[in-house]
Amino acid sequence: GAGVSQTPSNKVTEKGKYVELRCDPISGHTALYWYRQSLGQGPEFLIYFQGTGAADDSGLPNDRFFAVRPEGSVSTLKIQRTERGDSAVYLCASSSRGTDNEQFFGPGTRLTVL
Amino acid sequence: GDSVTQMEGPVTLSEEAFLTINCTYTATGYPSLFWYVQYPGEGLQLLLKATKADDKGSNKGFEATYRKETTSFHLEKGSVQVSDSAVYFCALSEGAAGNKLTFGGGTRVLVKP
Repeated sequence: GAGVSQTPSNKVTEKGKYVELRCDPISGHTALYWYRQSLGQGPEFLIYFQGTGAADDSGLPNDRFFAVRPEGSVSTLKIQRTERGDSAVYLCASSSRGTDNEQFFGPGTRLTVL
Repeated sequence: GDSVTQMEGPVTLSEEAFLTINCTYTATGYPSLFWYVQYPGEGLQLLLKATKADDKGSNKGFEATYRKETTSFHLEKGSVQVSDSAVYFCALSEGAAGNKLTFGGGTRVLVKP
């Protein structure tokens, strides 16, 4: 079956621009997670959705970052006024219920801010 | 807060050698522990997990035992293959926090024929 998909696979933007990154979770998965992976490091948690609501957004670095999941399926991570330090691979994962269930990861979106 | 520390790589081995990757953690509660693997050009995949003390996770010849007394979850494989070349990540989650994962920095393993 289809896994987690993310679009675009690569995004190059200029400092100060706005970007949107999309995640399509596995059908039926109620939990969705965003992580950020900088070069040579492990992924860092950004935000967790259970259904449509953000159950935990404690990992968002500042108010330039925002994410939505309006219908409880597809999610969009939005970054305003991008900075060079935002360059990273943004990973999305989904799981069937959240607690103690395996998270399935997408291939990631590589964001480069020039 | 929670944290995971794992040995830095790269680790370079010959085929059929024994592999150990050390992982220790700090957590406020009783976390579940995981090893994820990232093969070249692919996404993160769960390799194995253990949910309570003394549990042993195993998969594809890899094993790791949840050691609460030493807060460790070391990954081992008795005889590596070239196809095991990848980056390995140790991680934990505390279920009450919605299962978000806290990862270590990753260890790159290169197995030479």
